[in-house]
Parts: sequence; C-alpha cells; structure tokens
Amino acid sequence: NAGVTQTPKFQVLKTGQSMTLQCAQDMNHEYMSWYRQDPGMGLRLIHYSVGAGITDQGEVPNGYNVSRSTTEDFPLRLLSAAPSQTSVYFCASSYNSGNTIYFGEGSWLTVV
Amino acid sequence: AQSVTQLDSQVPVFEEAPVELRCNYSSSVSVYLFWYVQYPNQGLQLLLKYLSGSTLVESINGFEAEFNKSQTSFHLRKPSVHISDTAEYFCAVSKTTQGGSEKLVFGKGTKLTVNP
Repeated sequence: NAGVTQTPKFQVLKTGQSMTLQCAQDMNHEYMSWYRQDPGMGLRLIHYSVGAGITDQGEVPNGYNVSRSTTEDFPLRLLSAAPSQTSVYFCASSYNSGNTIYFGEGSWLTVV
Repeated sequence: AQSVTQLDSQVPVFEEAPVELRCNYSSSVSVYLFWYVQYPNQGLQLLLKYLSGSTLVESINGFEAEFNKSQTSFHLRKPSVHISDTAEYFCAVSKTTQGGSEKLVFGKGTKLTVNP
C-alpha cells in the first residue's frame, strides 16, 4: 500500500491562477478530506467526502472546489489563487467511523 | 461544535526529563480523542487515540494520554523524553456519530523541543 499520496509536493502560483492538488489513496477508504495548516492555527478542514459522489464543506471552504468521482481520488481545486491560500495542504482518509485517519505528506503551496 | 485548546504553544525540556502536553476540549456530544505528531517538513502521524474503554491509552514509543471526562482533558505524557521526540504535537477530536467521525477538529499545536 502506498497510503495517501499527494501531488505536487511544492508549487508556486501567481495570484489569479488556478490549479489542482491531487490526492489518491489505495486503501479502499470511504472517507477522504482536505485540511490546510497555517502557523499557529493548527489544521482546519476545507472539504470532506464520505464516499464517491458525496462531498461537503468543512470549516474553511471558500476559494476551493472538490469532487469525488472515484473512491480512490479526491482532488482539491483552487479556482483563482490568492495570497491568503499560501499554506500547507494535507489530504487524509479513513475507512469508516472511528477508524484511524491517515494523512498524506503534504503539499506546500505559495501564492505570490 | 467542538473545539480544542492546547494550553502551551511551546514546551522546552531537557533530555530524559518528564513532559506533559496539555489538551482540553469542548463538545456537547461524545467525542473520540487523538494525538498526532508532526516531525519537521513531514505529514501527521497518529500517536494514540481514545475511542472507548480504558481511559489510559499508550503509544508504542512511551507516550501515554488519559481521557478525563469530568475535566474534558486528554493530556499527553512521557516519563523520559529523547532528542528524537522533538516535534510538533496536535490534539484533535471528532464526533463519534456516523457522518462526524471523519472530521477532525485540531488544536493549534504544541512544539516540543528536547535539549541535550
């Protein structure tokens, strides 16, 4: 098992550009989610999914879109990047309620 | 809604000293409790978790945490730390209900620095 794989690991964007952060898991997990980590803020939930075709907003969803067309993949789209979206992004997955949530290695995004 | 407060943003200790990282939470419903560790420039790794049963939970590398429902706390302890324990530690909670347990609410983190 590769676990939770995120790409790219590092990215620099210009304000207004769009991009997609990819997340894939090979553990047949139903639950997937995206968090952002900012200094002194801990991690905050952006969007989450409880299965293919089902997504919902977390605490800080503005400026981000997600879709879940397959169980394995959960991409995060930045529609028009802003400097406030400079952050480290983590994708996570778990099998079911109460099960361990596994995190990817993170994607470092800088918006200039 | 749930919230998590980690009372110390930074904790410096000497090698082989004991350490306690404090975590308090607020929730109107039952929660699962977690401690995650993040080493520099890496992702988060689960250190230990409380789901039910014994209120004292242990990790394989000597950490332990005790769930105290009356004080709504889940403090992390280790009797003797090593240099390699230097990392940032995050306390987190999730609801126990279906449709809630996949959403973690994190504290702001505690940076543990172990000095020789």
